[in-house]
Amino acid sequence: DQQVKQNSPSLSVQEGRISILNCDYTNSMFDYFLWYKKYPAEGPTFLISISSIKDKNEDGRFTVFLNKSAKHLSLHIVPSQPGDSAVYFCAASQIQGAQKLVFGQGTRLTINP
Amino acid sequence: DAGVIQSPRHEVTEMGQEVTLRCKPISGHDYLFWYRQTMMRGLELLIYFNNNVPIDDSGMPEDRFSAKMPNASFSTLKIQPSEPRDSAVYFCASSPILGGIQETQYFGPGTRLLVL
Repeated sequence: DQQVKQNSPSLSVQEGRISILNCDYTNSMFDYFLWYKKYPAEGPTFLISISSIKDKNEDGRFTVFLNKSAKHLSLHIVPSQPGDSAVYFCAASQIQGAQKLVFGQGTRLTINP
Repeated sequence: DAGVIQSPRHEVTEMGQEVTLRCKPISGHDYLFWYRQTMMRGLELLIYFNNNVPIDDSGMPEDRFSAKMPNASFSTLKIQPSEPRDSAVYFCASSPILGGIQETQYFGPGTRLLVL
């Protein structure tokens, strides 16, 4: 049972445009959400997070939006740059600081020049 | 800091053989995690330790998998006997506790395992 789902295995965006990566979850107990970024032959690295008490968190070019009623979150990257080409994983936990993260399948983002 | 170190980076073995994956967490981190990445299921948590003690191994697929953490600077994940369906990338991650809250998990580069 996949509690965190990223339904788009891949996404291709032109450089300078906005990239939108989506993530859905089924467990209403999830309270804290994270995005990780992964380059080939490297481990995932933390990108941005959001607590359920917020609906938006922004960090430079990266913004995460949370819609609790729809159990949906999205990551917006604007403007997209070639270095953003990577696999992005969405993850969730029941509380911030909880040890157990549940990850999605990942979305491969390709930024075209 | 060198980050989380995993070895080997690549492993090719034949079905039925024993496989041992190794991890050195970041010094001072209280938590250590083992994950498996596959195309179908993404990143799955297999087991995690707190201060060298296994806390949750509910993600370990079956008895063929075992993990140990004999000290704060070393952990192993063993598969015996290995099967082709175990082929995946295995990640180790560690995280500290700051102010009583577990912080971000830091991942190693992974071990790519192929079982023929």
